[in-house]
Amino acid sequence: SQTIHQWPATLVQPVGSPLSLECTVEGTSNPNLYWYRQAAGRGLQLLFYSVGIGQISSEVPQNLSASRPQDRQFILSSKKLLLSDSGFYLCAWSVPFRGFPIFSGNTIYFGEGSWLTVV
Amino acid sequence: KQEVTQIPAALSVPEGENLVLNCSFTDSAIYNLQWFRQDPGKGLTSLLLIQSSQREQTSGRLNASLDKSSGRSTLYIAASQPGDSATYLCAVRPEYSGGGADGLTFGKGTHLIIQP
Repeated sequence: SQTIHQWPATLVQPVGSPLSLECTVEGTSNPNLYWYRQAAGRGLQLLFYSVGIGQISSEVPQNLSASRPQDRQFILSSKKLLLSDSGFYLCAWSVPFRGFPIFSGNTIYFGEGSWLTVV
Repeated sequence: KQEVTQIPAALSVPEGENLVLNCSFTDSAIYNLQWFRQDPGKGLTSLLLIQSSQREQTSGRLNASLDKSSGRSTLYIAASQPGDSATYLCAVRPEYSGGGADGLTFGKGTHLIIQP
């Protein structure tokens, strides 16, 4: 069966410090991978998605970046955190659809999330 | 740009009641719609997925309906229990004609409390 892990679960970082959140998926290959942020009162916001190794698309401009060094590894990073980066970060994956039209139609699976507090 | 709205934002009802959560979306060009449950401080768990060609899906005490043309979905919870207390999120998946990911657009959720 497929599983998704993300860590750390909780972290408190000072403004201006770097960030690295890691997510790995097991039990599947070539998944679509996502990073979402859930800020208080704002709902879930898609930050990045990836359809393959080294392929990253950004949905919103920000000081965060994402990388996919391996097929089932997705990393969210920042060189200098801002107070506004505080929130609940969720990694997710879905099975990609290979064919035309190109959409998966499958459900999306979420990790347990990472609480980031920037102080 | 797709926008998803959920009403009410919060709901508190006594145990045993049947209840309805509402979700509306502005762009009817969706491939499917999902309902999720989120417990405090946790990730999301998928409850029901309705394809755009379907009208409803059922799982146990949960029933979700979809009216794509009017941009609406409802989640019906029968015989509510305290364990149903959580935040319920609705999300729509867009139709794409080319390559790309299938990221979802989420509503802000309905915070549900079932009183024992």
